Amino acid sequence: QQQVKQSPQSLIVQKGGISIINCAYENTAFDYFPWYQQFPGKGPALLIAIRPDVSEKKEGRFTISFNKSAKQFSLHIMDSQPGDSATYFCAASRAGNMLTFGGGTRLMVKP
Amino acid sequence: DVKVTQSSRYLVKRTGEKVFLECVQDMDHENMFWYRQDPGLGLRLIYFSYDVKMKEKGDIPEGYSVSREKKERFSLILESASTNQTSMYLCASSPYLRYEQYFGPGTRLTVT
Repeated sequence: QQQVKQSPQSLIVQKGGISIINCAYENTAFDYFPWYQQFPGKGPALLIAIRPDVSEKKEGRFTISFNKSAKQFSLHIMDSQPGDSATYFCAASRAGNMLTFGGGTRLMVKP
Repeated sequence: DVKVTQSSRYLVKRTGEKVFLECVQDMDHENMFWYRQDPGLGLRLIYFSYDVKMKEKGDIPEGYSVSREKKERFSLILESASTNQTSMYLCASSPYLRYEQYFGPGTRLTVT
């Protein structure tokens, strides 16, 4: 049973477009929601994270939108670039260090 | 920079063999984790450790064991490898009570 559901599994976006990846969770005890980015041959690396007391967090071209009542959060990549092509994982954590990951989204940005 | 290294990038083992995957971190982190990564399933936690000689089961511990004799080193052991353990294995570490985890490059294990 996956506590964090991620969609879509794969995504193709044109260069300059907006990439949107969605996640939904069930456990209301989760209090930290990170996104990790993984390039081929590398381990995942933290991209951006949000806590449930804010509805949005922006870092450069990357934005997390958080909807606590719907138990959903999403990653928006503005002006997507070919260098953003990677696999993205959402995750959730509660009161400590353990992360529960979504299934991952493979993003391809076409030039 | 935090560095997490894993002993092998690729490993091929036969069914029934005992397999050791080693992970070393150089940032004096208290917490260490072992995940397996499978397409569509994301990363699933096998075991984690919050201190030397301490370990806790994750979501999928069956068929695996771990060892942490030194703070910087966390080993994953497959007692008797099976084909359904063919996967990418990722090690991570984090400071105590900090959420961000730092991952190694992974070991792709194939069991034939």
